[in-house]
Amino acid sequence: DAGITQSPRHKVTETGTPVTLRCHQTENHRYMYWYRQDPGHGLRLIHYSYGVKDTDKGEVSDGYSVSRSKTEDFLLTLESATSSQTSVYFCAISEEYMNTEAFFGQGTRLTVV
Amino acid sequence: GDSVTQMEGPVTLSEEAFLTINCTYTATGYPSLFWYVQYPGEGLQLLLKATKADDKGSNKGFEATYRKETTSFHLEKGSVQVSDSAVYFCALSDQGGKLIFGQGTELSVKP
Repeated sequence: DAGITQSPRHKVTETGTPVTLRCHQTENHRYMYWYRQDPGHGLRLIHYSYGVKDTDKGEVSDGYSVSRSKTEDFLLTLESATSSQTSVYFCAISEEYMNTEAFFGQGTRLTVV
Repeated sequence: GDSVTQMEGPVTLSEEAFLTINCTYTATGYPSLFWYVQYPGEGLQLLLKATKADDKGSNKGFEATYRKETTSFHLEKGSVQVSDSAVYFCALSDQGGKLIFGQGTELSVKP
């Protein structure tokens, strides 16, 4: 299995509070991604990174920010959590882009009450 | 923009039945195509892939052929098992290298 660890695995938080999810990899892969999974929507890309300090927005980036200060860590922050951000969040990594396999973490189930 | 459309689920089959899950895509250029599988409580894992037209990806008895003329990448298996119960996602890799997923199809196989 690819070395990807997401933390926490489960979290319940209150509306309006900031939340940070962490993705840690031991594979030294260049690309890292954050997706959210919601029923009927599949997986939707929030943000991705193509190197240290190099990040870009995905299709559902509003309300989220990311940081990558080291190759192995990619942080996703919800600045002020809302109930619409209740979801399962997956981190993924890939060695290159195009044609290559992406490896996924186990997911973080976030509930905003 | 690029997109992927899968047949809606859930799909319920008896063990040893034939499986088809339809997937069509819209893309500029020539994307790579993938099928990922998600077992309960787990993350996604790659099932198979195809990188150019007429390529056939295969793994664990599953197959899918990249059909450029019909922009399709249908997943098939000749004889499903209870252990194949999972959610299956079709995906493409766009020009920027990002994976774009379909909505997923839940498969339930009954003994």
